[in-house]
Amino acid sequence: AQKITQTQPGMFVQEKEAVTLDCTYDTSDQSYGLFWYKQPSSGEMIFLIYQGSYDEQNATEGRYSLNFQKARKSANLVISASQLGDSAMYFCAMRGGLSGGYQKVTFGTGTKLQVIP
Amino acid sequence: ETGVTQSPTHLIKTRGQQVTLRCSSQSGHNTVSWYQQALGQGPQFIFQYYREEENGRGNFPPRFSGLQFPNYSSELNVNALELDDSALYLCASRAGTGGDPRNGYTFGSGTRLTVV
Repeated sequence: AQKITQTQPGMFVQEKEAVTLDCTYDTSDQSYGLFWYKQPSSGEMIFLIYQGSYDEQNATEGRYSLNFQKARKSANLVISASQLGDSAMYFCAMRGGLSGGYQKVTFGTGTKLQVIP
Repeated sequence: ETGVTQSPTHLIKTRGQQVTLRCSSQSGHNTVSWYQQALGQGPQFIFQYYREEENGRGNFPPRFSGLQFPNYSSELNVNALELDDSALYLCASRAGTGGDPRNGYTFGSGTRLTVV
């Protein structure tokens, strides 16, 4: 079975500062993918960044980077230079392999980020 | 056509009733997944359809069923509604069933279902 754990229900960050959102995962699969999604109050899930389990480099997408530590099973999201528009719920998610089901994406419980002017 | 459109945006139903939620996927997206997101929780996988056939299912009872049509639209049907079915229902689509997972799912804005 796959599991995603996000231990920070809520986070505050000052505008223009960097913030790290924590995510740990558990899976018995060797091949898997990790995602971060942003969910504003409108409800839609916006894809931010992806990290494959065999990727040697940490993923980066603009202001987003994923701090992937495979041995510790962690996949933290780092947002640099926070903007007011970054205020939203952030979900860590995993798409598994043979045991987890290739089709299924497992989500964590989310972290509510609030950017303070 | 771009994006994923879900209808209706909000819905109120009575316990025991049946409901159909609709999703219109992006052209070329032949894989669609449905998720249930209870208040304050992350989305939970209900099932996935690929080329009009269900090819994956989460821990949801059979009263949750779906259909996918050749025109990239799909439906989620829930029978015998229960109070705990109140949630945001999200539809997500992508092209293909395998391939590069960097081609992440495109989500709709969801249908908020309230069962009273």
